[in-house]
Amino acid sequence: GQNIDQPTEMTATEGAIVQINCTYQTSGFNGLFWYQQHAGEAPTFLSYNVLDGLEEKGRFSSFLSRSKGYSYLLLKELQMKDSASYLCAVRVNYGGSQGNLIFGKGTKLSVKP
Amino acid sequence: DGGITQSPKYLFRKEGQNVTLSCEQNLNHDAMYWYRQDPGQGLRLIYYSQIVNDFQKGDIAEGYSVSREKKESFPLTVTSAQKNPTAFYLCASSTSGILLGNSPLHFGNGTRLTVT
Repeated sequence: GQNIDQPTEMTATEGAIVQINCTYQTSGFNGLFWYQQHAGEAPTFLSYNVLDGLEEKGRFSSFLSRSKGYSYLLLKELQMKDSASYLCAVRVNYGGSQGNLIFGKGTKLSVKP
Repeated sequence: DGGITQSPKYLFRKEGQNVTLSCEQNLNHDAMYWYRQDPGQGLRLIYYSQIVNDFQKGDIAEGYSVSREKKESFPLTVTSAQKNPTAFYLCASSTSGILLGNSPLHFGNGTRLTVT
C-alpha cells in the first residue's frame, strides 16, 4: 500500500528554524512535493525533489533521501505568516497513468511570538 | 491571470440531493483532479482526467461522478449515494504525460460542502 507519515503538529518560535519530517513507503516514486496550506485555503506549491540532496529556495529548503524514503522541509527565520499546514506528497505511478500524488495528512505548524 | 476557479466557496444541501461543484481552469493544463479533504486526513483523490473525454476513478470514487467535455472544465457531482458528503473539495490541474517532470499541481480555492 501507500503510506506517508508526518508529525501532526509542531510549534516553533518566530525567528527560529524548524524541520518538518516526512517518511514514505509507496509503490513507485517519481518525485516528492511540499505544499503549504493556510486554513480554509488552497495548498500552494513550495518545493520539489526527485534526486537525493538539498534544494534551497529562499527561507525554505527541502531534502530527499530516496534510499531511506525520507524527506524534510526546513523553514528558516520563521515568521508569523508561516503558521499553516505543510503537506508532503509523493508522485507515484497509479492506475496506468502517470503523475498522481499521494498526500500525507499534513503537519500543522504554529509559530509563536 | 491564469488559474483555477472553483465555485461556490460554500455550498449547503439537504441529504438526498445531488449537487454539482464547478471547476474551471485557464492554464491550458491537460490533467485535472478532484480531491477531498477531511479534518485529520490527507487529501484523497476522488477522480482524475488526463485528457478531454476521459477520466479515471481515484481512491474514493464511490458516490461521485465527473465529466470532462471541455479541456477547461471538470465538474464533480456529489450524488445521494455518497454516505459522508460533508467535506472540503479541492480541484487541481497539472501538465501531464512526459511533460510532468517537476510540474506541481495547481489548486483552486476549494468548495466547502455541508449536507444536513
